[in-house]
Amino acid sequence: DTGVSQNPRHKITKRGQNVTFRCDPISEHNRLYWYRQTLGQGPEFLTYFQNEAQLEKSRLLSDRFSAERPKGSFSTLEIQRTEQGDSAMYLCASSPRGAGNEKLFFGSGTQLSVL
Amino acid sequence: AQSVTQLDSQVPVFEEAPVELRCNYSSSVSVYLFWYVQYPNQGLQLLLKYLSGSTLVKGINGFEAEFNKSQTSFHLRKPSVHISDTAEYFCAVSTNFGNEKLTFGTGTRLTIIP
Repeated sequence: DTGVSQNPRHKITKRGQNVTFRCDPISEHNRLYWYRQTLGQGPEFLTYFQNEAQLEKSRLLSDRFSAERPKGSFSTLEIQRTEQGDSAMYLCASSPRGAGNEKLFFGSGTQLSVL
Repeated sequence: AQSVTQLDSQVPVFEEAPVELRCNYSSSVSVYLFWYVQYPNQGLQLLLKYLSGSTLVKGINGFEAEFNKSQTSFHLRKPSVHISDTAEYFCAVSTNFGNEKLTFGTGTRLTIIP
């Protein structure tokens, strides 16, 4: 159990560019979550997967955002045509089958800076 | 919809002194309550949780919290803090135990003064 892994740790991009983040959950965790945390705020829910199915998306997830989990293992979060307002820490979390919130494990996040 | 309010954005406390971090929530249905801690450059870590039963819950690192339904509060306490407790603390709520979608407060930065 190596924990939830997120790459890259930091990403600096110019406005209008596309970026993609990766999350590797804990092995055999079937649920995977994405949250966004802006400066001075708590994490905000973006979306979650159960295996490869994306079951819920927040209204925060505009059309420029897309998340995938093609084989029910790792997940990617892509932001197209980035805007300065997208600058934030993007957190990934996972939990095992049948577990509740007590088994939710967070990664260290990817810090995105849009210039 | 539910919401969480953490009124104190920063709390400085002398080492070995007691501390209380306040959390109030709003929800039209029953809730589950959590406290998470975030150390610098690390992910969120669960400190403790209230799901049901005893309203006083104990967590890791000597922290405890009390669920008060009438006050809609879930304040976090520690009788004697240590330098290593310096971190950001987040209160969170969910309304469905099986769905881990959490609503977080804005966080309280706890700074321990030697």
